[in-house]
Amino acid sequence: ELVMTQSPATLSVSPGERATLSCRASQSVSSNLAWYQQQPGQAPRLLIYRTSTRAAGIPARFSGSGSGTEFTLTISSLQSEDFAVYYCQQYNNWPRTFGQGTKVEIK
Amino acid sequence: EVQLVESGGDLVQPGRSLRLSCAASGFTFSNYWVHWVRQAPGKGLVWVSRIKDDGSSTSYADSVKDRFTISRDNAKNTLYLQMNSLRAEDTAVYYCARDPSGAAGWYFDLWGRGTLVIVSS
Repeated sequence: ELVMTQSPATLSVSPGERATLSCRASQSVSSNLAWYQQQPGQAPRLLIYRTSTRAAGIPARFSGSGSGTEFTLTISSLQSEDFAVYYCQQYNNWPRTFGQGTKVEIK
Repeated sequence: EVQLVESGGDLVQPGRSLRLSCAASGFTFSNYWVHWVRQAPGKGLVWVSRIKDDGSSTSYADSVKDRFTISRDNAKNTLYLQMNSLRAEDTAVYYCARDPSGAAGWYFDLWGRGTLVIVSS
């Protein structure tokens, strides 16, 4: 099974600062990578698909990059509503797998 | 409003069965593949199962294969998950999720709020 590893596990950031989250795949997933945000007690929300395409209604401060095995989600200027857990997911290999998550917390 | 609403979660003893439902509204349900994804308490997301838009094809994670059955009723805009021979490790919030990519991918652009299944004696 393809393993997705996210780092760091927890990221402490001040509001208005930039956050950079990493996701590494144990083998290439091409550009078939999505990112989700999950607030406490809520369902995940799709942010990014195909590595860098923002989902409908997602603010431009969220951007994705990478290919193959290394991917990055960048939040350019953190807003209060952005403090949450973020998951990457590959949809290139069977079975589709998620990373373990990165918690973005207020510094 | 475009939404998915799960129901049917409960406390159930190991070895018993449970059926989850997911009601879709605000979009043409029959046009989409749909999936079940689960999240154990305090843990990450794990894909469980999927069904093609017309119900003609299904897939399962190895951990639930031969125990769980996914189905849908497009006339009722509803997705189901029949869960048999439940184990403690099946304890999780179960989400239904819409897939805009179909055979091309399997990522999820709309999620329900989830329903909690607890398997315990």
